[in-house]
Amino acid sequence: ETGVTQTPRHLVMGMTNKKSLKCEQHLGHNAMYWYKQSAKKPLELMFVYSLEERVENNSVPSRFSPECPNSSHLFLHLHTLQPEDSALYLCASSQSSSPSGINEQFFGPGTRLTVL
Amino acid sequence: AQSVTQLDSHVSVSEGTPVLLRCNYSSSYSPSLFWYVQHPNKGLQLLLKYTSAATLVKGINGFEAEFKKSETSFHLTKPSAHMSDAAEYFCVVSNGNQFYFGTGTSLTVIP
Repeated sequence: ETGVTQTPRHLVMGMTNKKSLKCEQHLGHNAMYWYKQSAKKPLELMFVYSLEERVENNSVPSRFSPECPNSSHLFLHLHTLQPEDSALYLCASSQSSSPSGINEQFFGPGTRLTVL
Repeated sequence: AQSVTQLDSHVSVSEGTPVLLRCNYSSSYSPSLFWYVQHPNKGLQLLLKYTSAATLVKGINGFEAEFKKSETSFHLTKPSAHMSDAAEYFCVVSNGNQFYFGTGTSLTVIP
């Protein structure tokens, strides 16, 4: 479907669990993003990595911890989440300095997270 | 500062009739503009993108958008709606690594 894959596609976890979401992009991009999409709310940018350095952290609670070991992989580590963290978590990638200057994002299918 | 306003949260059209989804943007310089579509429980798919080469942009699935600088608009249109067009649509303005999403427009297509 796209060059961005996310695993798992669905995750149910208790508030005391620790889990990780994985994103992988096969497009040779140098920037990756985590978004949170909750029902009836705008898409929320959580983290941005450019050239494996975190360039943005939108006041996200510390129970969410991102990791970008290389330009193709992005993780979101989850620890002691709350029920209101239940949402669709979307990963995206882009090329921040393409020759055309057009730098659209390519999205993965998302992980549907339910916190009990 | 950059921002996007999608003027309608919900639009309903009959199958075979035209679609118009409205988007206004605010940008301090020449923006990159995009429309994305999201089907239920799926990620976002790029429909089309604006380059400075042409103000009328053609995308996938018969969608088009026209960049109007004087009106700061980038409305999405399609001449004839299909049932498969029912989805959520997002207008996006970008500057480098910063992407600003509209709140989305839910399109319903009535048979």
